[in-house]
Amino acid sequence: DTAVSQTPKYLVTQMGNDKSIKCEQNLGHDTMYWYKQDSKKFLKIMFSYNNKELIINETVPNRFSPKSPDKAHLNLHINSLELGDSAVYFCASSPDRASNSPLHFGNGTRLTVT
Amino acid sequence: GNSVTQMEGPVTLSEEAFLTINCTYTATGYPSLFWYVQYPGEGLQLLLKATKADDKGSNKGFEATYRKETTSFHLEKGSVQVSDSAVYFCALSRVRGGSQGNLIFGKGTKLSVKP
Repeated sequence: DTAVSQTPKYLVTQMGNDKSIKCEQNLGHDTMYWYKQDSKKFLKIMFSYNNKELIINETVPNRFSPKSPDKAHLNLHINSLELGDSAVYFCASSPDRASNSPLHFGNGTRLTVT
Repeated sequence: GNSVTQMEGPVTLSEEAFLTINCTYTATGYPSLFWYVQYPGEGLQLLLKATKADDKGSNKGFEATYRKETTSFHLEKGSVQVSDSAVYFCALSRVRGGSQGNLIFGKGTKLSVKP
């Protein structure tokens, strides 16, 4: 069973479109995250939710809006896509916000904006 | 501010060679330190961690020691295998014992091991 699953795996779209990436975890974790990995493999946190509450909101354009309908799901919606949004987006989860247990990452969604 | 600097890659080694990937950090307070590994086409996985000075993290033959005096957390393995080919990330938590989601990652070092 996949612990953290995200869909789609690949997403190719044109500038100006709106798209969503979905993430689900079946680990029973309370905290979920979105990370962005650029073409040089640099990884940076975007958002974190704990029990459906937003707890980390890094400097990210307003075009990015996370939504957590329940603690097992954290979706990422992106409006008016730009070329610079092309990257691999990783969802992750951890047991809770203060835990030292390892993060569990999904396999990533490769977004290409043309 | 807090930051992590790790050696530029790619690193190419022959099987059974000794591996060192350097990582140094700048931090206020007492962060925890981590190494994550990313195999091709996959997400990151925790490889090892250390939560205080002089702690040694180890897993799968990899080791790293938290050196406060040199602000370093170098990753080592005595004999690498082809299956160790991956990208390795050094990371620190912003506060000691803080959520691992609030990590600062280095830029990653790609390791290729040839048979």
